[in-house]
Amino acid sequence: KAGVTQTPRYLIKTRGQQVTLSCSPISGHRSVSWYQQTPGQGLQFLFEYFSETQRNKGNFPGRFSGRQFSNSRSEMNVSTLELGDSALYLCASSMDSPTGELFFGEGSRLTVL
Amino acid sequence: QKEVEQDPGPLSVPEGAIVSLNCTYSNSAFQYFMWYRQYSRKGPELLMYTYSSGNKEDGRFTAQVDKSSKYISLFIRDSQPSDSATYLCAMSPTGANSKLTFGKGITLSVRP
Repeated sequence: KAGVTQTPRYLIKTRGQQVTLSCSPISGHRSVSWYQQTPGQGLQFLFEYFSETQRNKGNFPGRFSGRQFSNSRSEMNVSTLELGDSALYLCASSMDSPTGELFFGEGSRLTVL
Repeated sequence: QKEVEQDPGPLSVPEGAIVSLNCTYSNSAFQYFMWYRQYSRKGPELLMYTYSSGNKEDGRFTAQVDKSSKYISLFIRDSQPSDSATYLCAMSPTGANSKLTFGKGITLSVRP
């Protein structure tokens, strides 16, 4: 069974640019969540999507957005990049049950110069 | 005060030692308590999940939740070099997979 796949794995951008990250969940999983991981703040919840609808949202500015497609694949976008957006962005998928395990991908490492 | 506090570490122990990892939290709405393990350059993977208070054991790992003290622990018995990783506690009021609040993680090194 294939795991959560994230692309690209590494990318470098400059301040002011925008970036789009992609996530393919485990087959059959309809819930997709995104997290940001930095050395200073640790892992922080960005947003969660289920059936193409944003179900939960963390405390991030509006520059961070996401969407989910009908095949459950998800993308997140960060506009007007800032140096502080440099982080590992992790996507996770799960079955739609409160006790369902969250499976993480290996992440997309974004460096903003 | 952060919602979830975790000892920053790092922690280095000899092989075979018993390891105790701890987190405290302030949000009494948390009902789901998880421990994740993250190897270098990998995503976190779920180790243990506990709903509400109590203990749960899985092989060499035991998770404890004390909601009255807002304190959770992970014990690793007979630690192995392969246990060397970063351990993160995570909590949620709504589900084991929903809007998790993580501790900052502690890096454990098990010396052969």
